[in-house]
Amino acid sequence: DAGITQSPRHKVTETGTPVTLRCHQTENHRYMYWYRQDPGHGLRLIHYSYGVKDTDKGEVSDGYSVSRSKTEDFLLTLESATSSQTSVYFCAISGGGSTDTQYFGPGTRLTVL
Amino acid sequence: AQKVTQAQTEISVVEKEDVTLDCVYETRDTTYYLFWYKQPPSGELVFLIRRNSFDEQNEISGRYSWNFQKSTSSFNFTITASQVVDSAVYFCALSRSGSARQLTFGSGTQLTVLP
Repeated sequence: DAGITQSPRHKVTETGTPVTLRCHQTENHRYMYWYRQDPGHGLRLIHYSYGVKDTDKGEVSDGYSVSRSKTEDFLLTLESATSSQTSVYFCAISGGGSTDTQYFGPGTRLTVL
Repeated sequence: AQKVTQAQTEISVVEKEDVTLDCVYETRDTTYYLFWYKQPPSGELVFLIRRNSFDEQNEISGRYSWNFQKSTSSFNFTITASQVVDSAVYFCALSRSGSARQLTFGSGTQLTVLP
């Protein structure tokens, strides 16, 4: 299994509070991604990173920001959480190249009350 | 824009039956990649297979087989002699070529295998 951890695994917070989710990898992979999973939508890409300090937006980036100051860590921040951001968040990593495959972390269940 | 459609929201079969999960995709790219992932009740996402657009060979891995047909833009997944442990949500996904391959997922098919 790819060495990917996410923290926290579960979080309950209130509307308007800031929240930061962490993804940590031990594979030294270049690419990291944040997805959210909601019923009926599968997984949708929020942001991704193609290197330290290099990030870009995905399909559902509004209300989210990311940072990557080290290869192994990719942070997802909700500046002011809303109930619509209640979801399961998955981090993924990939090494690039012609046989590139994304491997996923265990997920973080976030509830915004 | 890319799109993946998994029209079967839920499928229920009895153990030992064969079951096929459908996946239809849309893309304007000539080079692309298709994936299947499994999400068991425990919640993690498990990679099953990757297929390149220029390789239309079908693949078999144990009880699993995949049928890729560019002519119909489909990448279907068959489980032969299903088992209770196959119960999970199965996702089909599509990515473009290029360095950062963002995945576009279908909405998933919930497969329940009854004993």
